[in-house]
Amino acid sequence: DQQVKQNSPSLSVQEGRISILNCDYTNSMFDYFLWYKKYPAEGPTFLISISSIKDKNEDGRFTVFLNKSAKHLSLHIVPSQPGDSAVYFCAASARYSGAGSYQLTFGKGTKLSVIP
Amino acid sequence: ETGVTQSPTHLIKTRGQQVTLRCSSQSGHNTVSWYQQALGQGPQFIFQYYREEENGRGNFPPRFSGLQFPNYSSELNVNALELDDSALYLCASSSRQVGEKLFFGSGTQLSVL
Repeated sequence: DQQVKQNSPSLSVQEGRISILNCDYTNSMFDYFLWYKKYPAEGPTFLISISSIKDKNEDGRFTVFLNKSAKHLSLHIVPSQPGDSAVYFCAASARYSGAGSYQLTFGKGTKLSVIP
Repeated sequence: ETGVTQSPTHLIKTRGQQVTLRCSSQSGHNTVSWYQQALGQGPQFIFQYYREEENGRGNFPPRFSGLQFPNYSSELNVNALELDDSALYLCASSSRQVGEKLFFGSGTQLSVL
């Protein structure tokens, strides 16, 4: 039973255009969401996060949107650059309802390819 | 400031054997988590250690065990290896200041034959 779903295994975007990566979740206890980026042969690196009390968080070219009623979040990258080509993981935690550990539930990832 | 380091980077074992993976956390971090990433899947939470005690465990059998040492480094031990244990094992460190913004190592690729 996948609690965090990334239904698009891959996405190709032209350099300079917008990349939109989507994520859905089923567990209502999730209250904190993160995006991680992973290059081959490296561990995931934190990109951006959002608390359930917000609906938008922006950091430079990266913006995360949260729609709690739809249990859906998305990551927008504008403008996309070739160096953004990587696997992007959506992750969620039950920060205020869990046992106190920073346990993350990850999606399967979306491989983004930015074409020059 | 040193990042999270894991050893070894690659390992080949046969079914039934035991394996120990090691992790040094980022300086200043006192919490270590272990994740298993099977091919084509996202990382799956195994367990977490805080102040040398297990502080949260995912849906993994008891043959997966761990330790955290006073310097906050950690080990993951897997007994009676099965073919399905073949995966990338990721260690992540954190602290109260960074919370869920985990800092991951590059992982240990374990192959069970």
